[in-house]
Amino acid sequence: AQSVTQPDIHITVSEGASLELRCNYSYGATPYLFWYVQSPGQGLQLLLKYFSGDTLVQGIKGFEAEFKRSQSSFNLRKPSVHWSDAAEYFCAVGSTNKLIFGTGTLLAVQP
Amino acid sequence: NAGVTQTPKFQVLKTGQSMTLQCAQDMNHEYMSWYRQDPGMGLRLIHYSVGAGITDQGEVPNGYNVSRSTTEDFPLRLLSAAPSQTSVYFCASSYNRNEKLFFGSGTQLSVL
Repeated sequence: AQSVTQPDIHITVSEGASLELRCNYSYGATPYLFWYVQSPGQGLQLLLKYFSGDTLVQGIKGFEAEFKRSQSSFNLRKPSVHWSDAAEYFCAVGSTNKLIFGTGTLLAVQP
Repeated sequence: NAGVTQTPKFQVLKTGQSMTLQCAQDMNHEYMSWYRQDPGMGLRLIHYSVGAGITDQGEVPNGYNVSRSTTEDFPLRLLSAAPSQTSVYFCASSYNRNEKLFFGSGTQLSVL
């Protein structure tokens, strides 16, 4: 069965600290992988996507993610978190029109 | 460009009532979809469309109908609202199957 697991429901980091959000997936074929961010009361915005090629992908707002096929993971990273990064982050797998989303990780940023 | 526009933003229904959530996009996107977002469950696909006149079911289609008579519009109909349909609903569109989704700002629906 196709699924996405985000094991961390809630994470708190200090401003300026590094960040890594975990994502593991189960998918039968070569996966298309995405990270979306949702600010309070808003729709989702794409941070980055992986289809093929270089396993380290760069996204907007200074985020990057690394695809590791052997670990079925697609973790999101940022070297230095800003207060404006506080939001909920969703990992997703599949084709754009039939995405399977994880349950999300809520990021809080401490001053 | 307005992007993806959803109306209404908030709605309260009584059990058994019907209503239509509207979604329109002005980007000439072929792909449109409806998701519901519930706490602790992420987003789940309700229905999707790959073009005018073509729709298909997603993960949680029961209790919902859709149609796609034009490229721009993709309304979601609740036939007989139930408390289990209390949720936040998002419409999304994309240019093709491998491009990013553009999301609307959501409709918060409460069914009493």
